[in-house]
Amino acid sequence: SQQGEEDPQALSIQEGENATMNCSYKTSINNLQWYRQNSGRGLVHLILIRSNEREKHSGRLRVTLDTSKKSSSLLITASRAADTASYFCATLNSGGSNYKLTFGKGTLLTVNP
Amino acid sequence: EAGVVQSPRYKIIEKKQPVAFWCNPISGHNTLYWYLQNLGQGPELLIRYENEEAVDDSQLPKDRFSAERLKGVDSTLKIQPAELGDSAVYLCASSLEAAGINEQFFGPGTRLTVL
Repeated sequence: SQQGEEDPQALSIQEGENATMNCSYKTSINNLQWYRQNSGRGLVHLILIRSNEREKHSGRLRVTLDTSKKSSSLLITASRAADTASYFCATLNSGGSNYKLTFGKGTLLTVNP
Repeated sequence: EAGVVQSPRYKIIEKKQPVAFWCNPISGHNTLYWYLQNLGQGPELLIRYENEEAVDDSQLPKDRFSAERLKGVDSTLKIQPAELGDSAVYLCASSLEAAGINEQFFGPGTRLTVL
């Protein structure tokens, strides 16, 4: 079963614009991670935010986490054509097994040149 | 540093045939995962190994799927017999054992088509 649910399912923007993707989840988490998947490739880890953090930056990426609303957002600033990919949020559940990531269905981002 | 290696990249078989996928994790990574990814979906965990021990195989359909990780390094995932519904991408990932922090490194996957 999938824990996270990304919104929107698909997003199309022009190069240079910002892209925002949202993720909602259901149970308490230890951390939340965002991954990118280019067509026909494996997933690449982008950024991890712990449950006691509210915001994190990495280059052109900004992630926020609101544990009271059980939601997260990923912002990509100044998008490039190379950012075209599917983006998945994944939650590491607190308690029990420490190593099970549960992925959402992903947001397909298309950046038009 | 070499990433997670998987082979084959693509496999086409007829239903009821057996198939096997191979994974070589990043050197030094104790934890290895097999995921199933259907089109338009996120990966779903099939099995997780810590060293050579399968510590979570609750999502592995054990009537037809099996996996092994001999010597705690390489791993093989097998399906016998394959069914039409098994067509998907099978991803292998590995991670260092670090409580509470679980960045996973993924291989490129094996795309299985069952005819």
